[in-house]
Amino acid sequence: DTGVSQDPRHKITKRGQNVTFRCDPISEHNRLYWYRQTLGQGPEFLTYFQNEAQLEKSRLLSDRFSAERPKGSFSTLEIQRTEQGDSAMYLCASSYDWGKLFFGSGTQLSVL
Amino acid sequence: SQQGEEDPQALSIQEGENATMNCSYKTSINNLQWYRQNSGRGLVHLILIRSNEREKHSGRLRVTLDTSKKSSSLLITASRAADTASYFCATDTTLTGANSKLTFGKGITLSVRP
Repeated sequence: DTGVSQDPRHKITKRGQNVTFRCDPISEHNRLYWYRQTLGQGPEFLTYFQNEAQLEKSRLLSDRFSAERPKGSFSTLEIQRTEQGDSAMYLCASSYDWGKLFFGSGTQLSVL
Repeated sequence: SQQGEEDPQALSIQEGENATMNCSYKTSINNLQWYRQNSGRGLVHLILIRSNEREKHSGRLRVTLDTSKKSSSLLITASRAADTASYFCATDTTLTGANSKLTFGKGITLSVRP
């Protein structure tokens, strides 16, 4: 069963460094979402792709954040010049059209 | 910003009891979904109810939706220790389904004591 996979599972970095996360969605899913979750909170929407087109970005996504989905398959989320406030679980999800989302296990980012 | 608010924030029950969790939201929805999350893991979809539906069942889960009150409830019957997790309601507010995204609440922590 090939679900949504995210890599790495954990990332520890120093403030000011750049980090990149990867998400591989379920292969037949055309929609891909990035969410961020901090302890005790629900996931907060960051951005969304339909195929390779990035259709919506949250105001939470500052200019230090960039996401891509080349060829409409896997996606990457890059954070430049990381800050301690970026520490969170970054969740990727995919779906076929609208409806239920399938989530990956997330990448836990710790910025020291 | 979070559209849905779950209630209570935390719930502790004995195995075998029923667990009822509530969710209120602010704006019109296309559908409402409930998800479950075990500690340190991703979310797992439980059930989806559309805005024109009032009740839905899936195994031990029963969800209701009252669009006039902008609220939903999730009932887990005959709870098990394995149901211990955080539960989130999520609303899809894009009425046409295009560019839809889910907005999640803060979640309810359910503890089921053996």
